Amino acid sequence: GDSVTQMEGPVTLSEEAFLTINCTYTATGYPSLFWYVQYPGEGLQLLLKATKADDKGSNKGFEATYRKETTSFHLEKGSVQVSDSAVYFCALKKSGGSNYKLTFGKGTLLTVNP
Amino acid sequence: NAGVTQTPKFQVLKTGQSMTLQCAQDMNHEYMSWYRQDPGMGLRLIHYSVGAGITDQGEVPNGYNVSRSTTEDFPLRLLSAAPSQTSVYFCASSPSAGRYEQYFGPGTRLTVT
Repeated sequence: GDSVTQMEGPVTLSEEAFLTINCTYTATGYPSLFWYVQYPGEGLQLLLKATKADDKGSNKGFEATYRKETTSFHLEKGSVQVSDSAVYFCALKKSGGSNYKLTFGKGTLLTVNP
Repeated sequence: NAGVTQTPKFQVLKTGQSMTLQCAQDMNHEYMSWYRQDPGMGLRLIHYSVGAGITDQGEVPNGYNVSRSTTEDFPLRLLSAAPSQTSVYFCASSPSAGRYEQYFGPGTRLTVT
């Protein structure tokens, strides 16, 4: 079945450091890929998405590129801020038809220190 | 739009008690779902609905019931609470099939003692 594997946390960085959170997936066909962010005490919010190979999703300085050849969707940010401290989830959804289900990775806790 | 709303925000139950977690959305979304979030497990799908009157099981449906009588509401019922159901529950909605993202509610933190 479909699955998402993301790097285990926690990840602790200093402000302005470079961030990479790795995400790889297993799925048939061409799923859509998402990164969600969960700030403390809140629900999940969509951070960015990509719907086909080589697409780059970007938002709030975060980027991720849909790499079909390596089945990856790694999240990057060039300079993190304390306010980026949160749990980040990689997720996929199969394309087409009536398949609505999201498959999530286990989440990566990021802590950014001043 | 209020988006996806959930009530209550917190709940403590004793083993064997029943309760209903409420979820509503005002975006006229067809698809709604319930997830539970446990440490180190990510989010796991409990039940989902693709429209009023249509529901189906997700990955971890045991101990939970759902119904979808209107487009707006999708309550989750715990029939006889167990400590293993201690978790944070999230409701989500999506406009239709395809590549659209899901919108999440703020969550309900449930503790079963």
